[in-house]
Amino acid sequence: EPEVTQTPSHQVTQMGQEVILRCVPISNHLYFYWYRQILGQKVEFLVSFYNNEISEKSEIFDDQFSVERPDGSNFTLKIRSTKLEDSAMYFCAGHGQGQKLFFGSGTQLSVL
Amino acid sequence: EDKVVQSPLSLVVHEGDTVTLNCSYEVTNFRSLLWYKQEKKAPTFLFMLTSSGIEKKSGRLSSILDKKELFSILNITATQTGDSAIYLCAVVDRGSTLGRLYFGRGTQLTVWP
Repeated sequence: EPEVTQTPSHQVTQMGQEVILRCVPISNHLYFYWYRQILGQKVEFLVSFYNNEISEKSEIFDDQFSVERPDGSNFTLKIRSTKLEDSAMYFCAGHGQGQKLFFGSGTQLSVL
Repeated sequence: EDKVVQSPLSLVVHEGDTVTLNCSYEVTNFRSLLWYKQEKKAPTFLFMLTSSGIEKKSGRLSSILDKKELFSILNITATQTGDSAIYLCAVVDRGSTLGRLYFGRGTQLTVWP
């Protein structure tokens, strides 16, 4: 079965630094998402992306966050100035016309 | 305010036992309910339910939805140690994009040999 690929699997950064999390969605998917899961808490929606623009975002997704799909394959999440509370597992996800959402294996972000 | 509430939060059983995991929800305009299994990292899809009373089955796992009472159950029969995981329930609201899931906190299932 095709997979959503995320890199890196683990990223450590200093507070205030910019990070870019990368995702390669399944090739025939059209809708893309970022979710995060803080340790011990529930999985939370961040943003959805379709047709090269944001279609929905949560209140977590503030001005420090941005997404893009620069080359038609990679889908990235950028955090401009990381905070301690950004430490979490970040999941990329996608689907085609159906609703079955496929998740990537995640990037564990640790902000020190 | 939680839209999706799962119970129990954790469950410890022995191999061979049958377990029932519960999920209640509250969304303005229900579209679908999904169950995922989360072992170490990525949630993996189990079931999607849209209609009341129709059981979805995959091997030892089955799930059913009650749209009148706003809940779903996930059953696992003859549990194995490989069933140990967090089981996540999520709902989709018709007012949101298709993949915008509202997750519950999950049920941590531990199966002892």
